[in-house]
Amino acid sequence: NAGVTQTPKFQVLKTGQSMTLQCAQDMNHEYMSWYRQDPGMGLRLIHYSVGAGITDQGEVPNGYNVSRSTTEDFPLRLLSAAPSQTSVYFCASSYSDRYYTGELFFGEGSRLTVL
Amino acid sequence: GENVEQHPSTLSVQEGDSAVIKCTYSDSASNYFPWYKQELGKRPQLIIDIRSNVGEKKDQRIAVTLNKTAKHFSLHITETQPEDSAVYFCAATVSYNAGNMLTFGGGTRLMVKP
Repeated sequence: NAGVTQTPKFQVLKTGQSMTLQCAQDMNHEYMSWYRQDPGMGLRLIHYSVGAGITDQGEVPNGYNVSRSTTEDFPLRLLSAAPSQTSVYFCASSYSDRYYTGELFFGEGSRLTVL
Repeated sequence: GENVEQHPSTLSVQEGDSAVIKCTYSDSASNYFPWYKQELGKRPQLIIDIRSNVGEKKDQRIAVTLNKTAKHFSLHITETQPEDSAVYFCAATVSYNAGNMLTFGGGTRLMVKP
C-alpha cells in the first residue's frame, strides 16, 4: 500500500494564480482531510470529507475549495492564491465513522509559496 | 469551537532525563486524544493515543495520561534519547457538521542533548 500520496511536493505561485493539490489514498478510508501547517500554529483543518460526495468546512476554509467524487481522491483547490496561503499542506485519511475516530495517516506534505 | 492549548512550546532535556508535555482542551465531548511526532521535513506520525474511557496508557518509554474532569492530558517520555528530538503535537476530537475531526495543539519542539 502506498498510503496517502500528495502532489506536488513543492510549488511556487504568483498572487492571483489558481492551482490544485492532489491527494489520493489506497486504504479505503472514508474520512479524508486537508490541514495547513504554519510555524507555532500546529495543524489547522481546512476542509474534510466523510465519504464520496460529502464535504464540509473546517477551521480555516476561506480561499479553498474541495470535492470528493471517489473514495480514493480528495483534491484541494486554491481559487486565487494569496501570500497568506504560503504554508505546508498535509492531506490525511483515517478509518473513522460517526462514532469512532481512528488514526490519521498523513501524506508527505506540499510546500506552497505564494509570491 | 474546540481549543487545544499545548505547553511548553520548546523543551530541552539532557539525554536520559524525562520529558513532559501538557495539553488542555475545551470541549467536554472530546473523546479521543492522540499524540503525533513530526521529525524535521517529515509528515506527522502517531506515537500514542488514548480514549476517554481510559485514564492512562503506556507503550515502552512513552505514556499518556488523561484527566477528563480537568480537561487536560499529558505525554510522558522517559529515558529520552537523541532520536526523540522532534516536534510533538497533541490533538483532541471536535464535532463538526458531518463528523468528528481532530484539532491540534500548537506543537512542542523537544531537543534531547547527548
